[in-house]
This record gives sequence, C-alpha cells and structure tokens, in this order.
Amino acid sequence: GQQVMQIPQYQHVQEGEDFTTYCNSSTTLSNIQWYKQRPGGHPVFLIQLVKSGEVKKQKRLTFQFGEAKKNSSLHITATQTTDVGTYFCAGPGSGAGSYQLTFGKGTKLSVIP
Amino acid sequence: EADIYQTPRYLVIGTGKKITLECSQTMGHDKMYWYQQDPGMELHLIHYSYGVNSTEKGDLSSESTVSRIRTEHFPLTLESARPSHTSQYLCASSERGPNYGYTFGSGTRLTVV
Repeated sequence: GQQVMQIPQYQHVQEGEDFTTYCNSSTTLSNIQWYKQRPGGHPVFLIQLVKSGEVKKQKRLTFQFGEAKKNSSLHITATQTTDVGTYFCAGPGSGAGSYQLTFGKGTKLSVIP
Repeated sequence: EADIYQTPRYLVIGTGKKITLECSQTMGHDKMYWYQQDPGMELHLIHYSYGVNSTEKGDLSSESTVSRIRTEHFPLTLESARPSHTSQYLCASSERGPNYGYTFGSGTRLTVV
C-alpha cells in the first residue's frame, strides 16, 4: 500500500533559525495536506497543495509540492517558540486506501529560546 | 461557529468497563473518522463513515465499534476496556474526504487501569 514518509523525525533549532521538513510518497498524490499538532493538542489543518510544482506561503511558512507530485516540503523561516509542535503531511491513499488520508509519522520541532 | 466536539476530554476507567466516546460536529459533514494516537506518535485510522448508516473499519485493528445514526454524531464504544486501549482518540470530519482538509476534535485521552 501507499506509504508517506517524513524526515527528519525530530528537529531541534535555536530560535531564529530556519526549519524544513520533507515528505515523500511511494505513489503520485492528487493532493498533499499539512497539519500542525501542538504539544497536548490535536492536529490542525494548515494547507492543501494540488498542482504540480505548487508553492504556497503563509507568513513565515512556505509549502512546496514536487513536480512529480510525490514529494513535498514545509519550510519555516526564522522559527519562533510558537512554532513548536509536530508537523504532519498527509495524502490520499491509493487503490483500496483511497477513502482515507495517509499521514506521515510527523516531524517534531523543538525551538530553543 | 462550526466545530467538532469530543467528550469527555479525559477519562480514567477500570479494566472491563464499557465506555462510549462522544463525537459531534456542526458542519454537516458526511465523512467522519476516528484515529488513535499515542503521545507524540503517528495517527492510526480505526473507523470511518461516509454518511448515515455507513461505517467501516480502518487500517488499525481495533476492538471498538462505532455507529452513525445521525449525520452530526459518530460515537465510539469499547465494550470491555483494557490497559492496551490507553491512548488518545481523535475524531475528525471532512466535507469531501481525503481530497479536502480534515477538522479534528480536541481528542479524548483514555487511561485504562
């Protein structure tokens, strides 16, 4: 079945440094979504990318969808303590799994003040 | 304000007890999901529903059951709780399934002693 892999699993950065997490799918995706989960909280939808090569920005966050629609990245410029949390990517499953989103294992971001 | 509500927020219960975790949404979404997540770990789909009287099991084997008698309500029941059921249970809904963002509830943190 389809797999969605995320790296790195953990990232510790000094406040003000940049941060990037990468997501790779074993199959082509019709869309990719990103979620943020604060410690002790629940996942919150951030954005959806649909087009090949698409780039979207939300303030300090930049999301990119690969040309082959099999990979994506989330880049945070000048991290702040409010960026702490786990970032998940997710894409529709394939075949029998197309009814659901397949989530990556997430990248846990820690920001050192 | 449209939202998705889960109760209780926290639950500590003895082994062998029957419990029902409540999930309700006011957005009129047909598609609803239950995920199990251990702290800081990945999300595992345990049940989903595409509408009233529609329920299916997800990827992760679960001893729980669900029902969908009304569009807005998607409760999850454990007939006999065990310590291995200790986890966080997250309910989510979506307007169009995996090709649209999911809205998650705040979750129920279940501890079985």
